[in-house]
Amino acid sequence: ILNVEQSPQSLHVQEGDSTNFTCSFPSSNFYALHWYRWETAKSPEALFVMTLNGDEKKKGRISATLNTKEGYSYLYIKGSQPEDSATYLCAFGAGNMLTFGGGTRLMVKP
Amino acid sequence: SQTIHQWPATLVQPVGSPLSLECTVEGTSNPNLYWYRQAAGRGLQLLFYSVGIGQISSEVPQNLSASRPQDRQFILSSKKLLLSDSGFYLCAWSVGLSNYGYTFGSGTRLTVV
Repeated sequence: ILNVEQSPQSLHVQEGDSTNFTCSFPSSNFYALHWYRWETAKSPEALFVMTLNGDEKKKGRISATLNTKEGYSYLYIKGSQPEDSATYLCAFGAGNMLTFGGGTRLMVKP
Repeated sequence: SQTIHQWPATLVQPVGSPLSLECTVEGTSNPNLYWYRQAAGRGLQLLFYSVGIGQISSEVPQNLSASRPQDRQFILSSKKLLLSDSGFYLCAWSVGLSNYGYTFGSGTRLTVV
């Protein structure tokens, strides 16, 4: 059983704050690391897929970094907005399977 | 383009009743198909996956079963639901290696009462 951990479990921030959270995963047999954004009662939406050590991806105010040697990825949100409120999932890919972390639930207060 | 349909969106079932959740994919052939569940306060747990018609792998022992009667159809079933089966169920598909990620259905909220 692969261990994919996310921290913190939940996070409350004020509108305009920048924030980041962590995903840790096994450093062996690495294929890919995925980030998803999941709003309540909707499908998880793919944000990033990263495959190379040192990868950095950016989409608007959201960015992510990857360190496969030490087994962690960071997701950053700059200038949080209320519409950023969601659960952010990371998933470790090995072969044709994804193993998901428990998610970080972000709540942005106006 | 590829789409994934999952139904029903919500379901309230009594303990001991049967269950059938259906997922269909359009616009692709021979997809890998997955059933995940999120129980209250927990992350996504893989229940079943299938790489082809009639091929089902179970990740967690439980009173649920899955079937793939057609290439793009994946069904999650139970003969008798337990209270612990309550949760949010997601179907997903992928083209193959995990580099490509998954595309998820809209989910089913199951409450067993």
